[in-house]
Amino acid sequence: ETGVTQSPTHLIKTRGQQVTLRCSSQSGHNTVSWYQQALGQGPQFIFQYYREEENGRGNFPPRFSGLQFPNYSSELNVNALELDDSALYLCASSLGREPGNEQFFGPGTRLTVL
Amino acid sequence: EDQVTQSPEALRLQEGESSSLNCSYTVSGLRGLFWYRQDPGKGPEFLFTLYSAGEEKEKERLKATLTKKESFLHITAPKPEDSATYLCAVPPISGGYNKLIFGAGTRLAVHP
Repeated sequence: ETGVTQSPTHLIKTRGQQVTLRCSSQSGHNTVSWYQQALGQGPQFIFQYYREEENGRGNFPPRFSGLQFPNYSSELNVNALELDDSALYLCASSLGREPGNEQFFGPGTRLTVL
Repeated sequence: EDQVTQSPEALRLQEGESSSLNCSYTVSGLRGLFWYRQDPGKGPEFLFTLYSAGEEKEKERLKATLTKKESFLHITAPKPEDSATYLCAVPPISGGYNKLIFGAGTRLAVHP
């Protein structure tokens, strides 16, 4: 069984640029959620994708967007990067979109915005 | 408002010194409480799910328990390799999607 993978591991961008982060879900999982984790904080929910559609969204602006592909892998896109976007971005997959399904996380992508 | 609070923020133990971490929550309708372990710079590693008050789960030196308003993670005779941040999370029912609300975590350091 393959776990959740993310790429790239680290990324450095400058303010105003755009970034795309990628995630492959665990084998058999059809739901992908993205979280942002600032230093010393717990992860904050960005949004969830189920069967290629956005299924729920946290308190993040529209410049955070995503995609899910037919193989359930996913992308997180962030436009017009701001300094406060510097964080660890985590992808989690689960078998189902309902509350209470166990979520398994990838290793994360560390984004630094200068 | 759905909220998760963990205490203490940080805990330093000597090897073999048992202790407990606390996670209190306010959420409309519990659909499970999740414990994760997170090493620095890594993604959270799933530990346990608890679904109902009175439930207990064990894994090696860790035991998680659940009441109606809080959960405890008991660490028995910890070793230095247990050093990590321990996160708890709950999924609120509102919204109908699988969003987790996390606490800020407890940073555990176990010294030889």
